[in-house]
Amino acid sequence: GDSVTQMEGPVTLSEEAFLTINCTYTATGYPSLFWYVQYPGEGLQLLLKATKADDKGSNKGFEATYRKETTSFHLEKGSVQVSDSAVYFCALRTGNQFYFGTGTSLTVIP
Amino acid sequence: DAGVTQSPTHLIKTRGQQVTLRCSPKSGHDTVSWYQQALGQGPQFIFQYYEEEERQRGNFPDRFSGHQFPNYSSELNVNALLLGDSALYLCASSGRGKKETQYFGPGTRLLVL
Repeated sequence: GDSVTQMEGPVTLSEEAFLTINCTYTATGYPSLFWYVQYPGEGLQLLLKATKADDKGSNKGFEATYRKETTSFHLEKGSVQVSDSAVYFCALRTGNQFYFGTGTSLTVIP
Repeated sequence: DAGVTQSPTHLIKTRGQQVTLRCSPKSGHDTVSWYQQALGQGPQFIFQYYEEEERQRGNFPDRFSGHQFPNYSSELNVNALLLGDSALYLCASSGRGKKETQYFGPGTRLLVL
């Protein structure tokens, strides 16, 4: 069945470091791909999305490119801030159903 | 403009009991999805409601049922609670033509003892 596998955490980085969180997927058809973020004490928020192969989603300095050949949607940011500390979820949508990864906890230290 | 709201925020039940959770979608949204998020895990899709009908269902037993009202609000019912039903239950809403952008509520944390 359809599924998402993402890099396990937790991840701890120093401020201004480069961030990569890996995400790969398995899906039939042509899924849309998403990254959601959950800040401490808050609900899930959409961070970025891509709806077809080679699309790049971007928001708040984060980027992810839909790579059909490698079935991947890795999240990157060139310079993380303390305020980026959160749990990040990769997800895919096929039809009306979403599949989420298990989440990657990121802590950025000053 | 209020976002997605859920009630109650926390709930404690015992095994075998029944529970009802409620969700009001974001203004202008007509589609509601429910998810179960166990501790340390990603959300698992339970089902989605549109036009007062269940449109799609994930891999959850029939003990999980739902309803959508004419004002698009929704309820999630769980019967014969098990310890393993303890989780954060999330509601997400989306609008017609923008179904891919789901907006999540803060969730209801259910503890089954």
